[in-house]
Amino acid sequence: GESVGLHLPTLSVQEGDNSIINCAYSNSASDYFIWYKQESGKGPQFIIDIRSNMDKRQGQRVTVLLNKTVKHLSLQIAATQPGDSAVYFCAEILPTNDYKLSFGAGTTVTVRA
Amino acid sequence: DTAVSQTPKYLVTQMGNDKSIKCEQNLGHDTMYWYKQDSKKFLKIMFSYNNKELIINETVPNRFSPKSPDKAHLNLHINSLELGDSAVYFCASSDATNEKLFFGSGTQLSVL
Repeated sequence: GESVGLHLPTLSVQEGDNSIINCAYSNSASDYFIWYKQESGKGPQFIIDIRSNMDKRQGQRVTVLLNKTVKHLSLQIAATQPGDSAVYFCAEILPTNDYKLSFGAGTTVTVRA
Repeated sequence: DTAVSQTPKYLVTQMGNDKSIKCEQNLGHDTMYWYKQDSKKFLKIMFSYNNKELIINETVPNRFSPKSPDKAHLNLHINSLELGDSAVYFCASSDATNEKLFFGSGTQLSVL
């Protein structure tokens, strides 16, 4: 399953398939990006981050891709599991001293059994 | 041994009341934050403190007043609650500025 284009608020994925969640960020000067996962009734949890001097970073079952040319970030989840059902947020930090992490609109991922 | 803990988890109150939400982190972080999440799940920063010093104060009504007695605590006091204040409020902390945030589990505030 894949959310294409700028942003889709929901994504339905078959268990076992790969998921791709897309995010368009706003500021070309942003130099640090984070993906968060928020399960129902809980706070956002850190998944993976990437700095602007990289274009790819891998974690356990997750990969983040950064395309600075088009200001696009994606999160790929391999072999999606029911526990991956959550709202996923991308966030960016500007290289200023204002210490602000700005969140994009979330994508709700639902895993079908 | 929760890293960022906030209380209460649920807060139901009448319009016009004054209420507080408490937050504590045991991660040794220098920076703490308050975020507001609306019904559409949009997360917006309200305040940030670094070593007890206010460094971010977004366009938030002055009915909201954060207080940081020490770098492990950041409380949020809200005066004269309004219906539009109903939301989930998250506390967070980070090791350094511009680093990843660790969030608490949220306080769901319902103003009736």
